Amino acid sequence: GAGVSQSPSNKVTEKGKDVELRCDPISGHTALYWYRQRLGQGLEFLIYFQGNSAPDKSGLPSDRFSAERTGESVSTLTIQRTQQEDSAVYLCASSYANYEQYFGPGTRLTVT
Amino acid sequence: GQQVMQIPQYQHVQEGEDFTTYCNSSTTLSNIQWYKQRPGGHPVFLIQLVKSGEVKKQKRLTFQFGEAKKNSSLHITATQTTDVGTYFCADTNDYKLSFGAGTTVTVRA
Repeated sequence: GAGVSQSPSNKVTEKGKDVELRCDPISGHTALYWYRQRLGQGLEFLIYFQGNSAPDKSGLPSDRFSAERTGESVSTLTIQRTQQEDSAVYLCASSYANYEQYFGPGTRLTVT
Repeated sequence: GQQVMQIPQYQHVQEGEDFTTYCNSSTTLSNIQWYKQRPGGHPVFLIQLVKSGEVKKQKRLTFQFGEAKKNSSLHITATQTTDVGTYFCADTNDYKLSFGAGTTVTVRA
């Protein structure tokens, strides 16, 4: 079946602009996660959605970052007033019953 | 949150040799998951360990969970070029994964 998809695959933006990243999880997966991965580093947890429960936003680095999810489907991660330190690969993952996570290909964000 | 340390950060291996990478914590881990990320790719789930002292094998890969659940290891035998990538361990705390920084493996043919 289809895996997790993300769009765009690459995004170059100017400092100060807003960006929106999209994630389509695997159908039937109730849990959805966003991570940030800086070059050569590990995965940094950003936010977690589970069904209709309140999301765990504890990993969002600042109030410029926000995310939404419609039911158990698409999620968008929005970064407002982008800064150069926001440059990274943003990975989305989904899972069923909080077991193994299936990752999407990521969105590489470059802030110039 | 839980801090998981992985050593070594880099592992350069001659093709055909064995190596081990380690995942350590100062506190008791819940469960451990291992992921592999190929260069330019995304993490792919390999395995989950749950029980103290648990050992699981996948072909040439052997995963072990320490008796005190404070460490885990991944041992690869007869390394192949397809083993190139970064191996991450992650502590699972309910739904949240706390990833280590990974061990990046390169293979000399």
